[in-house]
Amino acid sequence: SQKIEQNSEALNIQEGKTATLTCNYTNYSPAYLQWYRQDPGRGPVFLLLIRENEKEKRKERLKVTFDTTLKQSLFHITASQPADSATYLCALVREGKLIFGQGTELSVKP
Amino acid sequence: DTAVSQTPKYLVTQMGNDKSIKCEQNLGHDTMYWYKQDSKKFLKIMFSYNNKELIINETVPNRFSPKSPDKAHLNLHINSLELGDSAVYFCASSQDGDSGRGQFFGPGTRLTVL
Repeated sequence: SQKIEQNSEALNIQEGKTATLTCNYTNYSPAYLQWYRQDPGRGPVFLLLIRENEKEKRKERLKVTFDTTLKQSLFHITASQPADSATYLCALVREGKLIFGQGTELSVKP
Repeated sequence: DTAVSQTPKYLVTQMGNDKSIKCEQNLGHDTMYWYKQDSKKFLKIMFSYNNKELIINETVPNRFSPKSPDKAHLNLHINSLELGDSAVYFCASSQDGDSGRGQFFGPGTRLTVL
């Protein structure tokens, strides 16, 4: 069955550093992969989508890479700020459904 | 301007009761979804409707029945509630085929079954 895994441990970094979150998947080759941000008590918010033929996508301080050979996506936040603290979810699409990872909690300390 | 709204935000009820959660989106999207997020934070799809037609029906007990009166609304009715139904339920919407703009989620309904 399809598995999608993210760093289960929380990631703690210092303000100004680059945060890197990992998403690994098995048993499937998705046409695209999405990243979402979720704050406590709120619904996920869409951040970025990257397609299988794209190696990298950027949006302001965010960068996503997609390596279909490694079956891995990396999500980077450069010049991180305390306001970036949240849980980040990756999701791949399979048969018209989004399958989510369990999320990685990021904490950026001032 | 709320894009995807859900009511109620909190729902506390006894085992065996029947309850409904309502969802509305004002984005003009064709597709709406219900997700369940359990205590371990896994977000799992339950149902998907496209233009009022059911297109995804995951392995969900038939005590759960979605209803879409029009493409802007997708309600979730749950019969004979059980302890294991306690979770946060999210409604979401998207354009057809998830056109690259992702899915838009509501604020969630935290259901607690006692």
